[in-house]
Amino acid sequence: NAGVTQTPKFQVLKTGQSMTLQCAQDMNHEYMSWYRQDPGMGLRLIHYSVGAGITDQGEVPNGYNVSRSTTEDFPLRLLSAAPSQTSVYFCASKAGGWEQYFGPGTRLTVT
Amino acid sequence: AQSVTQLDSHVSVSEGTPVLLRCNYSSSYSPSLFWYVQHPNKGLQLLLKYTSAATLVKGINGFEAEFKKSETSFHLTKPSAHMSDAAEYFCVVSDRNNAGKSTFGDGTTLTVKP
Repeated sequence: NAGVTQTPKFQVLKTGQSMTLQCAQDMNHEYMSWYRQDPGMGLRLIHYSVGAGITDQGEVPNGYNVSRSTTEDFPLRLLSAAPSQTSVYFCASKAGGWEQYFGPGTRLTVT
Repeated sequence: AQSVTQLDSHVSVSEGTPVLLRCNYSSSYSPSLFWYVQHPNKGLQLLLKYTSAATLVKGINGFEAEFKKSETSFHLTKPSAHMSDAAEYFCVVSDRNNAGKSTFGDGTTLTVKP
């Protein structure tokens, strides 16, 4: 089991560029989520999905889109990058028991 | 609605002394509670979880936490700190009636002095 994988590990974007952060899990978990981590603010939920074809907004969804066409994959799209989106992004998945498994993170810088 | 308050943003202890990281939660229903640890530039690792079984929960690396419903608390403790315990710690609440969404506290930075 690879667990939760994320690519890329590091990314630098210019303001206005778009990109997709990839997330995949091989544990057959129904629930997947994206968080961003900023200094002193813990992790904040961006979007989540309770199963293939079902997504919903979290606490800070503006500027991000998601889709869930398969159980395994949950990509996060930045539509038009802004400096305020400079952050570390974590993808997570879980099944019953509510324990989340986190990916290693993507460190994004927007200049 | 659910929320988590980690009462200390920074805690500093000497190696070999006890560790106490405080967490209060708010939840409309019976919550599940978790503590995660994050070492510098690393991902998050689960330390322990409470999911309505025993109120005293033991985790990895000698950590434990006690669920106190009357105080809405879930404090994390360890009898004797090691240098390797220096990290960021997050308390998390998850509510089955909130679509399983998790809410994170802002984190507590633990420093361990030699």
